[in-house]
Amino acid sequence: DTGVSQNPRHKITKRGQNVTFRCDPISEHNRLYWYRQTLGQGPEFLTYFQNEAQLEKSRLLSDRFSAERPKGSFSTLEIQRTEQGDSAMYLCASSFYSTEAFFGQGTRLTVV
Amino acid sequence: KNEVEQSPQNLTAQEGEFITINCSYSVGISALHWLQQHPGGGIVSLFMLSSGKKKHGRLIATINIQEKHSSLHITASHPRDSAVYICAVEMDSNYQLIWGAGTKLIIKP
Repeated sequence: DTGVSQNPRHKITKRGQNVTFRCDPISEHNRLYWYRQTLGQGPEFLTYFQNEAQLEKSRLLSDRFSAERPKGSFSTLEIQRTEQGDSAMYLCASSFYSTEAFFGQGTRLTVV
Repeated sequence: KNEVEQSPQNLTAQEGEFITINCSYSVGISALHWLQQHPGGGIVSLFMLSSGKKKHGRLIATINIQEKHSSLHITASHPRDSAVYICAVEMDSNYQLIWGAGTKLIIKP
């Protein structure tokens, strides 16, 4: 197991397009978290899953954002009708219950 | 007022100096995390604390639950320690991580 893996590492998209990111957590981890980080700011919580259940969703996550973890393993984060304000680093982390969280390298999204 | 406050925001020091970064929080927590973020975005978890003190190499983290305060110390600092250090608390109600704004540390040779 090579840790938390996120794909793609970078994504440039035109405003209005849909984008999807993938996160593969550490295999035995049951919790998976998505965060967003804009330049110069700390990460902001978006949502988290315990197994396949989405247990918490931030108010930051507008209707254009949806996350899934269909089999309790990998997760996808989709942004529909992207806006320039969506440009950020999207970080995924996983943990086994409340033990230490491990982070992926992130997906940097640029909306032009 | 932010729920997690870090100080200082920026810190520049000479190689070899003892470094302290502070974190105060105002919510009930189940754990506190110290993380390191290098340019390019990758985040590495340094410590997860719920009480007392932990040490890993030149890094020491302490937490005082009663005072709602934690410190991260770096002994014999080195230029490769230059990074952003982030304090994040795990809320005891929903396990959500609330992040501090980070401390940008620069160690000069």
